[in-house]
Amino acid sequence: DAGVTQSPTHLIKTRGQQVTLRCSPKSGHDTVSWYQQALGQGPQFIFQYYEEEERQRGNFPDRFSGHQFPNYSSELNVNALLLGDSALYLCASSLGLAGAGGAQYFGPGTRLLVL
Amino acid sequence: EDKVVQSPLSLVVHEGDTVTLNCSYEVTNFRSLLWYKQEKKAPTFLFMLTSSGIEKKSGRLSSILDKKELFSILNITATQTGDSAVYLCAVDGGNYGQNFVFGPGTRLSVLP
Repeated sequence: DAGVTQSPTHLIKTRGQQVTLRCSPKSGHDTVSWYQQALGQGPQFIFQYYEEEERQRGNFPDRFSGHQFPNYSSELNVNALLLGDSALYLCASSLGLAGAGGAQYFGPGTRLLVL
Repeated sequence: EDKVVQSPLSLVVHEGDTVTLNCSYEVTNFRSLLWYKQEKKAPTFLFMLTSSGIEKKSGRLSSILDKKELFSILNITATQTGDSAVYLCAVDGGNYGQNFVFGPGTRLSVLP
């Protein structure tokens, strides 16, 4: 049973550049959420995708955008990178949105460093 | 604004001790509360709680939710060095979709 996978594992960019992170959900899951986790803090919700649409969004600027593909995999794009975007980016997958929703299972994350 | 508070933020115990981690929350639309263990990168799922008073148990770990008082506790009995990690509490307060608000975590260190 394949778990959540993310790529790349590490990334170094400079200010102003753009980055794309990728996520494949756990087998059988159809919903993908993205989180930003700064050092020493809990994950902060960026947005959630279901049926190829953004369904819920946290308090992040429009520089953060995403996409979900028909096979449920997802991308997170960040434009005009700032030093403060340096963080661990976590992808989590779950099944459906009905009722209480399902538990989210996390991938290993992408460590982004902006210089 | 939805908020999740965890206490203590840091805890150091010796092997064999029992610990209780606390999570309190304020959300407009509560759907569920989850506990995760984070050792290096990916948080690993421990429990999902939706109903008050029903204890969830897995080995030496257990958790319970009080929706009236808006808190949950995570108990770990007979701690081992492998329990050393950050324990995260998250509450789903989403409306149209899931929106998990995470607390800052409790860093547990278990000494031999």
